[in-house]
Amino acid sequence: AAGVIQSPRHLIKEKRETATLKCYPIPRHDTVYWYQQGPGQDPQFLISFYEKMQSDKGSIPDRFSAQQFSDYHSELNMSSLELGDSALYFCASSLIGGGLWYGYTFGSGTRLTVV
Amino acid sequence: DAKTTQPPSMDCAEGRAANLPCNHSTISGNEYVYWYRQIHSQGPQYIIHGLKNNETNEMASLIITEDRKSSTLILPHATLRDTAVYYCIAAGGYQKVTFGTGTKLQVIP
Repeated sequence: AAGVIQSPRHLIKEKRETATLKCYPIPRHDTVYWYQQGPGQDPQFLISFYEKMQSDKGSIPDRFSAQQFSDYHSELNMSSLELGDSALYFCASSLIGGGLWYGYTFGSGTRLTVV
Repeated sequence: DAKTTQPPSMDCAEGRAANLPCNHSTISGNEYVYWYRQIHSQGPQYIIHGLKNNETNEMASLIITEDRKSSTLILPHATLRDTAVYYCIAAGGYQKVTFGTGTKLQVIP
């Protein structure tokens, strides 16, 4: 079965550079969620999109932005990178349709290292 | 989303059943109980979910109390590969899901 695809798997950037993380949800899933997980921490919600519209926003820095495209894939853009942005970034997708929620499926994550 | 409370860590002998408790006393009627686990730095893996009835699949069983204020995840025969952080999440709709601190399960040979 198709899973949530994240790319790249690993990314190394220097301080003040820009990074773009991509997430391809499970086919027909209409909702995408982004999470950040620092070393030894639990995943922290960043932002979510439902039917290409932002549906909720968490502790996402102003330097970060995200969007969901017409094919439902999503991109997380991170600018002016700081050392503290080094983390695992997970994307999850779900199907809301019909007012019900069928749970999340997570991708394998992108490990961002800022040096 | 309803807040959940889990013990921070548990040990379980290999081959024995691991019973992981979760309190979700503020769960609302349309919220499901989901269990995920995360094995070192991998993406959280879905285990099982339920609304009010007990559920069983090839990985685990989920026992939800009648008042739905707590639940227990049961891994019937724990193996070393079950060592992970287990997250209990109460959620419904498309609102953000908030991860708690989870239970770090250590399966001991």
